[in-house]
Amino acid sequence: DTEVTQTPKHLVMGMTNKKSLKCEQHMGHRAMYWYKQKAKKPPELMFVYSYEKLSINESVPSRFSPECPNSSLLNLHLHALQPEDSALYLCASSRGGRSPDTQYFGPGTRLTVL
Amino acid sequence: AQSVAQPEDQVNVAEGNPLTVKCTYSVSGNPYLFWYVQYPNRGLQFLLKYITGDNLVKGSYGFEAEFNKSQTSFHLKKPSALVSDSALYFCAVRDIYGGATNKLIFGTGTLLAVQP
Repeated sequence: DTEVTQTPKHLVMGMTNKKSLKCEQHMGHRAMYWYKQKAKKPPELMFVYSYEKLSINESVPSRFSPECPNSSLLNLHLHALQPEDSALYLCASSRGGRSPDTQYFGPGTRLTVL
Repeated sequence: AQSVAQPEDQVNVAEGNPLTVKCTYSVSGNPYLFWYVQYPNRGLQFLLKYITGDNLVKGSYGFEAEFNKSQTSFHLKKPSALVSDSALYFCAVRDIYGGATNKLIFGTGTLLAVQP
């Protein structure tokens, strides 16, 4: 089973709202990732958690706040977003560790900021 | 700096014909290369990867890719295209400076359109 689930599928929010995106995997993976993807562009890495610790933050604005409550769950908290933050947000997971392993992606959350 | 290039924004092929989606890379050291496919409004699906070993890698849905070290290429191929193969394809290379994480560097993507 290589399934990564994400909720919600779609989210519309105003610039003053607070919302959260959720990602879950039950593959025993210890690395989890958040990406942002604009239409027909490659995914842009935002955050990486390795063994539940934040290991990479790609200079993402503080209005995006990641959280990894346990090894299966990854959240992305959103606050005071801008219309240009509208995009497809993808979560991915991989085994973790130094050996090159495969990232498996969820279906994404389509976010629209009004 | 490590990078991966997909020189074609779009590839058009007739159903039943062979298809090739091109990818070239520039890395220091051994390259770890991946192909992903993305259907409209979906996440990325893993197709195949090259880590080491046989230069011809077989993957999902009848796709294969050939690793060519001298040409620094990792082209994706399929002997007979299906209309359902129409999608956006991404080549990626693992960033060796990613430390304990498997940070990927993606190409710009190639839109494959298969005509019936």
